[in-house]
Amino acid sequence: HVQLVQSGAEVKKPGASVMVSCRASGYTFTGYYMHWVRQAPGQGLEWMGWINPNNGDTLFAQKFEGWVTMMRDTSTGTAYMELSRLKSDDTAVYYCARAMSANWFDPWGQGTLVTVSS
Amino acid sequence: QSALTQPASVSGSPGQSITISCTGTSSDIGLYNYVSWYQQHPGKIPKLMIYDVGYRPSGVSNRFSGSKSGNTASLTISGLQAEDEADYYCTSYTITSALAFGTGTKVTVL
Repeated sequence: HVQLVQSGAEVKKPGASVMVSCRASGYTFTGYYMHWVRQAPGQGLEWMGWINPNNGDTLFAQKFEGWVTMMRDTSTGTAYMELSRLKSDDTAVYYCARAMSANWFDPWGQGTLVTVSS
Repeated sequence: QSALTQPASVSGSPGQSITISCTGTSSDIGLYNYVSWYQQHPGKIPKLMIYDVGYRPSGVSNRFSGSKSGNTASLTISGLQAEDEADYYCTSYTITSALAFGTGTKVTVL
């Protein structure tokens, strides 16, 4: 059973950083890219970037370059997304999703709510 | 990467057909057959409905179909049902190897 389990909700102050984890199970972790997508309250889906778990290569949406980091731990089958210099409009649900092809995902993680508030 | 353009809302009566458009550019939708569509009910994670323009994953109703012409992709829902009321998002691979999501369309069943 293929599954992505994300870490729990976080509350952060502006200017802080947050790291969200995504633990994969039921498939070969290094065989599929992992993408990160976020959704602000009441807003649409926003693609953040991907990581190739096989070699650690990453690609970020232009908007996030310089303030997002994506990493992986192949020993535990876990992907990580760290966002720094948080602002209030970074409040969102953050999803990891396994890429089955160039542009479609299955499954998605359950989502992690990150709240940025002073 | 700019967001792909979708109508904010589309509505239809039960049993009718509706079509949601997703307009991109010659650097994304117009260049690749890598368009997918997701359905998202409130508070739920997105569900894949169509991939690679017109393919349905196992378990998705054949009332959902996808197509593409030029820089615009479309999702058609035939025989509209109450359970189809949700938000729908398109996504496309782009020339920079990035992905772009659509702005999202709220489907209302009247």
